[in-house]
Amino acid sequence: QVQLLQSGAEVKQPGASVKLSCKASGYAFTNYYLHWVRQAPGQGPEWIGVISPSGINTFSAQNFQGRVSMTTDTSTSTVYMELGSLRSDDTAFYYCARQSKHPHSLDYWGQGTLVTVSS
Amino acid sequence: QSALTQPPSASGSPGQSVTISCSGTGSDVGGHNLVSWYQQHPGNAPKLLIFDIDMRPSGVPDRFSGSRSGNTASLTVSGLQAEDEADYYCTSSAGSNTVIFGGGTKLTVL
Repeated sequence: QVQLLQSGAEVKQPGASVKLSCKASGYAFTNYYLHWVRQAPGQGPEWIGVISPSGINTFSAQNFQGRVSMTTDTSTSTVYMELGSLRSDDTAFYYCARQSKHPHSLDYWGQGTLVTVSS
Repeated sequence: QSALTQPPSASGSPGQSVTISCSGTGSDVGGHNLVSWYQQHPGNAPKLLIFDIDMRPSGVPDRFSGSRSGNTASLTVSGLQAEDEADYYCTSSAGSNTVIFGGGTKLTVL
């Protein structure tokens, strides 16, 4: 079965960077794009960006451009997202999600990683 | 880019139908067929309900249906059940391979 297993919770200070991982299993990793979405406590989701399985193509929301980096490791079927210059309002659950065969619809989601930014 | 506009809340009694709207612009909802809807229960990740405006993934009950008129997409939940109480979010392509979410609607089953 399709699974997206994300790395554990992180606590970071303002100004630091965080790198999250998302390991895919149960499907052909090279056939599907992966998205990153975050959700602050009590808020709606916010789209961060998407990466092709090869890692060649990446697209991100304007709010995150210059601050986010997404990469893939096809040998381990893992996608990474690094977010820099962290602020307190970056505190949120961060999800990876697989794009289905239909563009921009996300059919499988990871369990989420809580990132807390606090001094 | 601003989030798509959804009503913050909606409600209905068991067995009734409820429609949730998602308003955007010609650059997103009205300009692409890539509108999706998600259901999210507390503590869980979102679940895909509708893609490409009105298509259901396998396993999603046909009580859930989607539509679009101009720059506004809609999700209708028919035959409301207690388990439908959740948050609902729309998304749309916003061009240049980007995605935008709606602000979300909390559905209460009375």
